[in-house]
Amino acid sequence: AQSVTQLGSHVSVSEGALVLLRCNYSSSVPPYLFWYVQYPNQGLQLLLKYTTGATLVKGINGFEAEFKKSETSFHLTKPSAHMSDAAEYFCAVMHNNAGNMLTFGGGTRLMVKP
Amino acid sequence: SAVISQKPSRDICQRGTSLTIQCQVDSQVTMMFWYRQQPGQSLTLIATANQGSEATYESGFVIDKFPISRPNLTFSTLTVSNMSPEDSSIYLCSVEEGFEAFFGQGTRLTVV
Repeated sequence: AQSVTQLGSHVSVSEGALVLLRCNYSSSVPPYLFWYVQYPNQGLQLLLKYTTGATLVKGINGFEAEFKKSETSFHLTKPSAHMSDAAEYFCAVMHNNAGNMLTFGGGTRLMVKP
Repeated sequence: SAVISQKPSRDICQRGTSLTIQCQVDSQVTMMFWYRQQPGQSLTLIATANQGSEATYESGFVIDKFPISRPNLTFSTLTVSNMSPEDSSIYLCSVEEGFEAFFGQGTRLTVV
């Protein structure tokens, strides 16, 4: 069974600082991995995904994530935080052998200080 | 990419009543998913809805409480029955297309 762990339910950074949101997964098969962002009172928006190929994937708004199989990790980074990045971020793994449903991590609320 | 329209966007309901949430997709999809997001928490899958068959419910969710309809390949409804304050959550509809999940804007339900 797949599971996703996001370390840190709340992360606070200063504007312009590096953003690092951690995600570790467990999966019995090669995973498809996703990061979603949820702004207040809105639905989920896909930031980026890893399915196959290059392990460093780039997404929208300057975010990127690297799939590290040896570490079972898929951490999300952004070199320089912007105030508009303040939101809830969810890491997820897709069960591509069970109807392509998603299992989500607990979420990380990113706060950006001026 | 699939575009999902979900309604209502929010509602305040009396305990003991039921609310039906509608989800409309702009393309035909085999499976539709319903998630619940309780306040301050992550998303939990309620059930998977296939057209022409009974929905498949995850552990902790039952059909009597969350009946689902899937009359065609572009539409589904989720009903939250006999509501209590513990049902106050955001309910989201989702579809998968090309190994990417798309979500509706969600229905923010408050039960008083």
